Amino acid sequence: QSVLTQPPSLSAAPGQKVSISCSGSNSNIGKNSVSWYQQFSGTAPTLLIYDSHRRPSGIPDRFSGSKSGTSATLDITGLQTGDEADYFCGTWDDGLSAAVFGRGTKLTVL
Amino acid sequence: QMQLVQSGAEVKKTGSSVKLSCKASRFTFTQRRLHWVRQAPGHALEWMGWITTVTGDTNYSQTFQDRVSITRDRSMSTAYLELSSLRSEDTGMYYCARSGSYGDYVFDSWGQGTPVTVSS
Repeated sequence: QSVLTQPPSLSAAPGQKVSISCSGSNSNIGKNSVSWYQQFSGTAPTLLIYDSHRRPSGIPDRFSGSKSGTSATLDITGLQTGDEADYFCGTWDDGLSAAVFGRGTKLTVL
Repeated sequence: QMQLVQSGAEVKKTGSSVKLSCKASRFTFTQRRLHWVRQAPGHALEWMGWITTVTGDTNYSQTFQDRVSITRDRSMSTAYLELSSLRSEDTGMYYCARSGSYGDYVFDSWGQGTPVTVSS
């Protein structure tokens, strides 16, 4: 069981919007910022969002993040077939003194 | 663009040790923390620990603390992960990742991964 909880899978049609949730606790998301990573099959993760809502250079503004309390959300608008990937949230956990991640959400663009 | 290039696949027996490498190029090796993160089948990503490339200071996850050692060779711009007392549950993909551009635990660049298989 992961410290951060994500839905295992989501699907949506091209052009639609999808929201991926990441639920934690007061010792992790409640106190620290959240990062989001995209991982295509057979490749390493890449950073999408940091500081809960900021994008590194080169990441399209179709990807946005937010945080409220002990939960965070990654929104993807204008879905493209190329967005099919696994999406992970991550943060620091003060109680565990460790970086922690969700188990990932597999996004299917139908 | 900076790169982290990891060593090749490993197949190990239970109870043995494995040592993986992660070579950095196109960025100043001594200005970052390098982390090791494991991705086991059906499990979340697991953070194992980091090394500060300047001083060689390390910090390990309590989950792995008794079995893990992270070292670096500054002259080779290479970090190493050694995991001992291997068990079947250690089978998975091992990534090195860099932090520092956006936060201490924000992994802005990743190696390609090294698959490790542990069997009896």
